Amino acid sequence: QVQLVESGGGVVQPGGSLRLSCAASGFTFSRYGMHWVRQAPGKGLEWLSFIRYDGSNKYYADSVQGRFTISRDNSKNTLYLQMNSLRAEDTALYYCAKARGAAEGIYFFDSWGQATLVTVSS
Amino acid sequence: QSALTQPPSASGSPGQSVTISCTGTSSDVGGYNHVSWYQQYPGKAPKLIIYEVSNRPSGVPDRFSGSKSGNTASLTVSGLQAEDEADYYCCSYGGSNNLVVFGGGTKLTVL
Repeated sequence: QVQLVESGGGVVQPGGSLRLSCAASGFTFSRYGMHWVRQAPGKGLEWLSFIRYDGSNKYYADSVQGRFTISRDNSKNTLYLQMNSLRAEDTALYYCAKARGAAEGIYFFDSWGQATLVTVSS
Repeated sequence: QSALTQPPSASGSPGQSVTISCTGTSSDVGGYNHVSWYQQYPGKAPKLIIYEVSNRPSGVPDRFSGSKSGNTASLTVSGLQAEDEADYYCCSYGGSNNLVVFGGGTKLTVL
């Protein structure tokens, strides 16, 4: 079955950087688009970013545009999120989520990881 | 502030039906059939329960149904059970600038 395992979270100072990873198994990773979604403590879900199956197109929420970069390595079945210039408001659980389709046009998440926690604090 | 508007809470007694609304605009909910719903228990990852307005993934009970009218989508839970007590989030395609938007979530309480 589909398994998504996030890692790389931790405590970082404001202005710092972190790179999150999402290891995928149980499906042909290279055939599906992937998303990052976050959830601040006690708050709702916030979509962050999407990458096409082949990495050719990437999309970002306004809140992270220019600071976060999504990427993937299909040879390693792994999705990444490089987070720079981190702010206190970036403190959240970060989920990777699998799209039903390969590219744009299908906008729902049919599998989710268990999340990794990012805390931005001095 | 979330792009889509949901009531913060909803409730019903076992066996009853409850409907949760999700209001957007013609640029998201009203413009496309890309509305999905997710169920989330405390401390757990969200789970897809409705996609493309009214489709249920395999394994989701048919007590869960979705619909849309204009700029408002709805999730109806029929025959409420104690295990339905959870947070529910709607989601929609948001256009080329903000690809996906979520509602703020609704906490469903089974009385």
